[in-house]
Amino acid sequence: QQQVKQSPQSLIVQKGGISIINCAYENTAFDYFPWYQQFPGKGPALLIAIRPDVSEKKEGRFTISFNKSAKQFSLHIMDSQPGDSATYFCAANRPETSGSRLTFGEGTQLTVNP
Amino acid sequence: DSGVTQTPKHLITATGQRVTLRCSPRSGDLSVYWYQQSLDQGLQFLIQYYNGEERAKGNILERFSAQQFPDLHSELNLSSLELGDSALYFCASSVVAGFSGNTIYFGEGSWLTVV
Repeated sequence: QQQVKQSPQSLIVQKGGISIINCAYENTAFDYFPWYQQFPGKGPALLIAIRPDVSEKKEGRFTISFNKSAKQFSLHIMDSQPGDSATYFCAANRPETSGSRLTFGEGTQLTVNP
Repeated sequence: DSGVTQTPKHLITATGQRVTLRCSPRSGDLSVYWYQQSLDQGLQFLIQYYNGEERAKGNILERFSAQQFPDLHSELNLSSLELGDSALYFCASSVVAGFSGNTIYFGEGSWLTVV
């Protein structure tokens, strides 16, 4: 119940195309769903996040779509650019009595070809 | 630059040894998290501290321990090291203990190689 399943493992798109990464979860106690972007040699950096009471959130070229009933959420990168080439992780937060923890998906390595 | 500082950036040590990884959170952040990233396990939550107190615990091995000091920096101690402990260890910080919209910032990691 603590797992977050992410797909695909790797993704190659052309410049200007749409990149779509999907995640699914089981634990209904998760209360916050961020996406992180990680470049080689760097730590994960928060990209965009959504709460379960919202079905969609858009920030620039990045959009999260959230389907609470299906327990699925996805990241859409519009007009993908070579600079978007990185590893993307979805995550889900589980609140605890006095703290919290993020459970990460397995990651998607995105390559955007020029 | 996230503002989270981790040292050392790289560390090579032998099996059976003990190492200490250090983390300075962003200015003003009271909560510190430790994560392990390996190829086969992905990003795994280890432990969380808030203002010096342990707040959440993940799959942290008994050989590993952590603490957060009064100046809010944190240390992760790894002992009796095994080859399988080779990984990238991330520290992260946030203002408060809980999430739900509270951004967590990751450092650039400490790469541990056990030989």
